[in-house]
Amino acid sequence: DIQMTQSPSSLSASVGDRVTITCRASQNVNTLLAWCQQKPGKAPKLLIYRASTLEGGVPSRFSGSGSGTEFTLSISSLQPDDFATYYCQQYASYPLTFGQGTRLEIK
Amino acid sequence: EVALVESGGDLVQPGGSLRLSCVASGFTFNNYAMFWVRQAPGKGPEWVSSVTGSGDATYYADSVKGRFTMSRDNSKNTVYLQMDSLRVDDTAVYYCIKSDCSGGGCRRIASWGQGILVTVSS
Repeated sequence: DIQMTQSPSSLSASVGDRVTITCRASQNVNTLLAWCQQKPGKAPKLLIYRASTLEGGVPSRFSGSGSGTEFTLSISSLQPDDFATYYCQQYASYPLTFGQGTRLEIK
Repeated sequence: EVALVESGGDLVQPGGSLRLSCVASGFTFNNYAMFWVRQAPGKGPEWVSSVTGSGDATYYADSVKGRFTMSRDNSKNTVYLQMDSLRVDDTAVYYCIKSDCSGGGCRRIASWGQGILVTVSS
């Protein structure tokens, strides 16, 4: 199984800050990597797929990069609506696997 | 617009059975593989199972293999998850998910349902 490891596990930031979350895969997943956002009590929402392709309707302040085993999700200027938990997920092979999540909190 | 509506969640005793359903709309159902993903309280998501668009192939996580069966009825735009021999650690919100294509190689999550709670407890 491909293990996905995110860092940090939690992050405190202020509105307007730029933040970056890292995701590492235990094996090469090429660019078959997605990021999703989850708010309490809600279903996850897809943000980015194929490592860097923004899902329709997602604000351009979100961006993704990377390939192989190392990936990043960046938010260029945090907005109040962005405080949530973020997960990376590989879809290169079964079983599909998720990172443990990064909780983004307001400082 | 894509809509995925899960039903069938309940409180069930360990060793019991439950069948989840997911009715899909807003897309040509048999053109897309479908998944179930679950999320235990306070934990990250965990992939459970997938079925191809035609229903000719299914895939399962080791944690549910032999206990859960995923199927689909393309005439009803519905996927099912039959869960047998339920355990306390199967307690989770179960999400129905649409992929981005039809075949066995289609593993990208494209849309999530709102989720349904399954609680396994005595």
